Amino acid sequence: GQNIDQPTEMTATEGAIVQINCTYQTSGFNGLFWYQQHAGEAPTFLSYNVLDGLEEKGRFSSFLSRSKGYSYLLLKELQMKDSASYLCAAMDSNYQLIWGAGTKLIIKP
Amino acid sequence: IAGITQAPTSQILAAGRRMTLRCTQDMRHNAMYWYRQDLGLGLRLIHYSNTAGTTGKGEVPDGYSVSRANTDDFPLTLASAVPSQTSVYFCASSEEGAAGELFFGEGSRLTVL
Repeated sequence: GQNIDQPTEMTATEGAIVQINCTYQTSGFNGLFWYQQHAGEAPTFLSYNVLDGLEEKGRFSSFLSRSKGYSYLLLKELQMKDSASYLCAAMDSNYQLIWGAGTKLIIKP
Repeated sequence: IAGITQAPTSQILAAGRRMTLRCTQDMRHNAMYWYRQDLGLGLRLIHYSNTAGTTGKGEVPDGYSVSRANTDDFPLTLASAVPSQTSVYFCASSEEGAAGELFFGEGSRLTVL
């Protein structure tokens, strides 16, 4: 079956760095997406990886290893506004997105 | 710039009633999607449309129907609501038919009693 695993909840300190991991098992693979979702709001796109390696976009970076079925989202210089859920989604061979349940990130002062 | 507009934002509904959730986009995207989001579960695709005039079933289509008469509108209908359909419903669109970057509406919170 197809599956996405990511931690349910993480806590980090303002100004620090946090890494949110995601492992996936899909029938075929056409890329890995990360979305951010603040409580009560819509998800918004953060990143897309289809090749192995690290993609950096400001304070956020996303890494992919296709051979390991593994991705992570790295958030640097954490700010209180980064408190949100982070959703990992893998695209299978039929171009369908398989979503993880999300990781709730709590930032403490 | 509105993007995607969903209505209503929140609704309480008696079981057995018919309900239509509206979704309109002004980005001229070809592909549109309806997801439901439940606590502890990932987003689950209900129905999708790759282009006006076509629709397809997602992961959890039972009890729901959609139509795509034009590019902008993609309503979701619950013919006879049941309590298990209590959820937050998100409409989304993408520029490419292959579910590239998704743009989401603000969601419709539906409670079926």
